[in-house]
Amino acid sequence: EDQVTQSPEALRLQEGESSSLNCSYTVSGLRGLFWYRQDPGKGPEFLFTLYSAGEEKEKERLKATLTKKESFLHITAPKPEDSATYLCAVQAGTGNQFYFGTGTSLTVIP
Amino acid sequence: DAGVTQSPTHLIKTRGQQVTLRCSPISGHKSVSWYQQVLGQGPQFIFQYYEKEERGRGNFPDRFSARQFPNYSSELNVNALLLGDSALYLCASSLVVQQDGYTFGSGTRLTVV
Repeated sequence: EDQVTQSPEALRLQEGESSSLNCSYTVSGLRGLFWYRQDPGKGPEFLFTLYSAGEEKEKERLKATLTKKESFLHITAPKPEDSATYLCAVQAGTGNQFYFGTGTSLTVIP
Repeated sequence: DAGVTQSPTHLIKTRGQQVTLRCSPISGHKSVSWYQQVLGQGPQFIFQYYEKEERGRGNFPDRFSARQFPNYSSELNVNALLLGDSALYLCASSLVVQQDGYTFGSGTRLTVV
C-alpha cells in the first residue's frame, strides 16, 4: 500500500535556528513529490515539485531535496512568518490523485 | 486573478441531512479535484473531474458524489451525513489533469452535529 510519512509531527524552533523536515514514502512508480504549506483554516499553498532522486529546489529560506526513499525540506534561518504546517504529497502509478502525509507543524519563536 | 473559490466557508448540518459544497476553479482551469481534511490529518482524495468527466475516485462511500458543469465549476454532494464527515473540504483546480502544483481553495469547514 502506498504510504507517505512525515516527521516530526511538530517542531519548535527559535528564530534563526535552521532545521529539516522529513517525508518518507513507499509508493510504486513515483511521478512526483510535492511540498505544500498550510496556514490554519486555509487551503494548502504549493511550494515545490521534485521528480527524480538528486533533484533540489530552493525558494527563499526553503530548500527541498529528494532521494529514492525520502525528501527533506530544509529551513534556513527561519522567521516567525514561516510558522505553518508543511505537507508532503506524492503522485504515483497511473492515478492522478495526491497521497498526502499528515504534515509537520512548525512553530518559529521570535 | 481570482483564485479557487469555495462556498460556503462554514456550514453546520445535522446527522442524516444532505449537503452541497461548491467550487469555482481558476479561470481557464478545466480540472477540479476534491479532498477531505480531517483535523490533524493530511487531505484525502475524494474525486477528480476534467472536462465534466470523472477521472478519479478515492476510497469514499457512495454517499459522496460530485459533478462538474460546462463552466468547469463543481459541486460535491454528501448524503446521509455522519458525525465523521465533519472536516475541511478542499477543492483544487488545475489547467489539465496532470500538472505540478494544483491550486487549492481555502475550503469549506463542515461540522455535523
